[in-house]
Order: sequence, then structure tokens, then C-alpha cells
Amino acid sequence: AQSVTQLGSHVSVSEGALVLLRCNYSSSVPPYLFWYVQYPNQGLQLLLKYTTGATLVKGINGFEAEFKKSETSFHLTKPSAHMSDAAEYFCAVSNDYKLSFGAGTTVTVRA
Amino acid sequence: EPEVTQTPSHQVTQMGQEVILRCVPISNHLYFYWYRQILGQKVEFLVSFYNNEISEKSEIFDDQFSVERPDGSNFTLKIRSTKLEDSAMYFCASKGVFSYEQYFGPGTRLTVT
Repeated sequence: AQSVTQLGSHVSVSEGALVLLRCNYSSSVPPYLFWYVQYPNQGLQLLLKYTTGATLVKGINGFEAEFKKSETSFHLTKPSAHMSDAAEYFCAVSNDYKLSFGAGTTVTVRA
Repeated sequence: EPEVTQTPSHQVTQMGQEVILRCVPISNHLYFYWYRQILGQKVEFLVSFYNNEISEKSEIFDDQFSVERPDGSNFTLKIRSTKLEDSAMYFCASKGVFSYEQYFGPGTRLTVT
């Protein structure tokens, strides 16, 4: 069984501030972990993924995430928020056949 | 850049009617998926499909749902007799054999009245 918990359904940050979105996973096998972003009225776009190897992974738009097995976490960060980062972000864990998503975190960026 | 496409973008139907949602996966992908997202809720897995058969399905995917790959390009989701609670955004996704990430289409918003 696999599942994801995203802490915080809403995050509000000032433009230029750090963005930190928390994700904890549960998986009976070594996980594949993903972050997706969903802009209003659009589909899901892959931000980054962790499969094996380096635990700090870099994605698009300046985002990165660190896989910490000891903490079963895969938190997403961006050093400096931009107005265009306003969206909903989903953490997901995968086996070969399906993705299990967290509930999502909505990010708003204040000017 | 190749992408997953879905049609229609929005479908309105009456309760009890059949609907077919269509998807064109990325051309060299062999794993196909349907997910749904009820308004305000998280994205939920419905079904995965590989080698012309269902690999896994969720408890949501009951006898009212079916999937088909009628030709070499399309992947469809059929709901035989729609219910009000089927109103949601339905996403198709596809994955290559040697990759881990699934690529999502833009979704079909299904409204059942």
C-alpha cells in the first residue's frame, strides 16, 4: 500500500520569499516520488521526480525536492517565489501501475 | 514536444446517459491511465491499462466504467449510465516503457445534470 500526506492545504508566501511545501509518504517498497503542479483550469504538469540515486532533485521553474528516507519525506522548495508560482501542487507516490496523490497544497503569492 | 490530448474539453450529459471520453496518448507510450478529480478534492486513480488489458483498477472503477484502446492511437473511458456523482475532471495519462513519469492530458470536465 502507498499513500501521501501533504501538510497544509494552503500556503501563502510573499514574492521573493522561500516556498516550502511538505510531503510525507508511506510505501511498502522503495518509492518513486513526484511533484506535479496544476495551474487554474489546466492539467497536471510534472515538476520533478525521484526514482533512485541523488536524493536532492532539481525540477523545472527553480523548484527542488529532497528525498529523506529516514523521515519518509519529499518536501518541495523554491528559494524565491514568483507570482507565476501561484497554483496547486500535488505530491504523488508510485508503483508501476498507478500514482497515489496527496490532497494538494494551494500556493498564493503576495506582491 | 509530444503531449497527451483529450476530447472533449467539457461534456455535459444527463443522468443515466452514456458518455465516452477520448484520449490520444503519446505515440510511443505503452502504459495508459485514467484519473479523476472531483471539484475541490484530490486526484484519484481509476484504472491502468497495458498490453490491451487492465493492469489495476480502483474501487471507483465499477461495472459502469470500461476502457478500450479501439485502434493504435486512441484510449477511451466509457461510463455506461452516468450519475450525478460522476461529475468531475477526468485526466488521461500515459507512460513510456522505460520511464517512471506519467504525462497527463489537459482533462475533460464532465458535468452530469
